[in-house]
Amino acid sequence: DGGITQSPKYLFRKEGQNVTLSCEQNLNHDAMYWYRQDPGQGLRLIYYSQIVNDFQKGDIAEGYSVSREKKESFPLTVTSAQKNPTAFYLCASSTGTANTGELFFGEGSRLTVL
Amino acid sequence: AQTVTQSQPEMSVQEAETVTLSCTYDTSESDYYLFWYKQPPSRQMILVIRQEAYKQQNATENRFSVNFQKAAKSFSLKISDSQLGDAAMYFCAYNEYGGSQGNLIFGKGTKLSVKP
Repeated sequence: DGGITQSPKYLFRKEGQNVTLSCEQNLNHDAMYWYRQDPGQGLRLIYYSQIVNDFQKGDIAEGYSVSREKKESFPLTVTSAQKNPTAFYLCASSTGTANTGELFFGEGSRLTVL
Repeated sequence: AQTVTQSQPEMSVQEAETVTLSCTYDTSESDYYLFWYKQPPSRQMILVIRQEAYKQQNATENRFSVNFQKAAKSFSLKISDSQLGDAAMYFCAYNEYGGSQGNLIFGKGTKLSVKP
């Protein structure tokens, strides 16, 4: 079945550590995105990539980094510079060829900083 | 800047009844897309329904329909014959026509409970 796989589902981190969240898609979608979700908040865009080897900052990119070396993969690194990293992270993808805005989401990764 | 407002943090409906979730938005654009996404407890968000602003006809998907009032910048979601599986967070979202596909602007969500 085609879809988006995020791993791990749950992750605990000590302060000062970098962590990387994985996102893989087999939908052959060109564009991929990372969102952050906090309780009582909508989704906020961290980074997005419309083609391989290219990505742009979203609204809250500070303290995060990404790479897009393969079409299928868009890992997100939460660095120690991120002041409040405890959150739910959602990866999404879209065809990128028509601006319909429909996104396909993974099941998310919950990061907790101890 | 565009904004999306969902004024109902929580809603409750009896099974088989109808419920309407509210959404208003602010934009100076004339062409755009509006969406309702559902996020059930399993957390995977899925698209419920989409509306193109240039279409006057309200979108419908089975038990889900919208009331799109462009002049009022209102985009409500009606769920008919509510089922237990409809219990979820519902997010209203906006995307301007021609904008980055992923740069949706989301409301803060409405948590819908369905009572048996």
